[in-house]
Amino acid sequence: DIVMTQSPDSLAVSLGERATINCKSSQSVLDSSDNKNYLTWYQQKPGQPPKLLIFWASTRESGVPDRFSGSGSGTDFTLTISSLQAEDVAVYYCQQYYSIPYTFGQGTKLEIK
Amino acid sequence: QVQLQESGPGLVKPSETLSLTCAVSGYSISSGYYWGWIRQPPGKGLEWIGTMYHSGSTYYNPSLESRVTILVDTSKNQFSLKVSSVTAADTAVYYCARTLVGSPRSAFDIWGQGTMVTVSS
Repeated sequence: DIVMTQSPDSLAVSLGERATINCKSSQSVLDSSDNKNYLTWYQQKPGQPPKLLIFWASTRESGVPDRFSGSGSGTDFTLTISSLQAEDVAVYYCQQYYSIPYTFGQGTKLEIK
Repeated sequence: QVQLQESGPGLVKPSETLSLTCAVSGYSISSGYYWGWIRQPPGKGLEWIGTMYHSGSTYYNPSLESRVTILVDTSKNQFSLKVSSVTAADTAVYYCARTLVGSPRSAFDIWGQGTMVTVSS
């Protein structure tokens, strides 16, 4: 199984400041046949299902504010929120869909400082 | 718009079979995409259970494969999840979801609201 490890486990950032969440996979999720990273980011607020933010590691889902961006390749990935808003308070998960079983990181809880 | 709604018993006894249904509206399951189940124990992270196609093709998490069955009912535009021999470790919110693209190797872009299932005698 591919193990997904996120850091930090929790993060407190001031409104308007940058938030950075890291995700590391135990093996590469870059498929050389199509040059795509099979990595996605979800946002989950209390009592709600996960919401898709980023797929293919860096493609923003339609309707997601452009302050959210994803980067990285291979085994190391980053989700960046360029200017934190109050509504961004949530738990963020990365997930690989490169190989079965598709696995999630443990989650990063983002709060306002 | 496409909507998914999970339903089923909220309480299941240990050793019995958990059965859930995901009703899809706004889109025909037979038209494409893949459909999956994901669960989340209380206060914990997400676990992928399995993904299926309307043709009957299924992909399961090996850790659960011996106990899990995902079936499709195209006539009712719904799909189902069965988990046999449940224990307290199967207590979780169960989500159904649709893949973003027409491949099992895909993120999930549309999710149901989830249904809580507790395993207890």
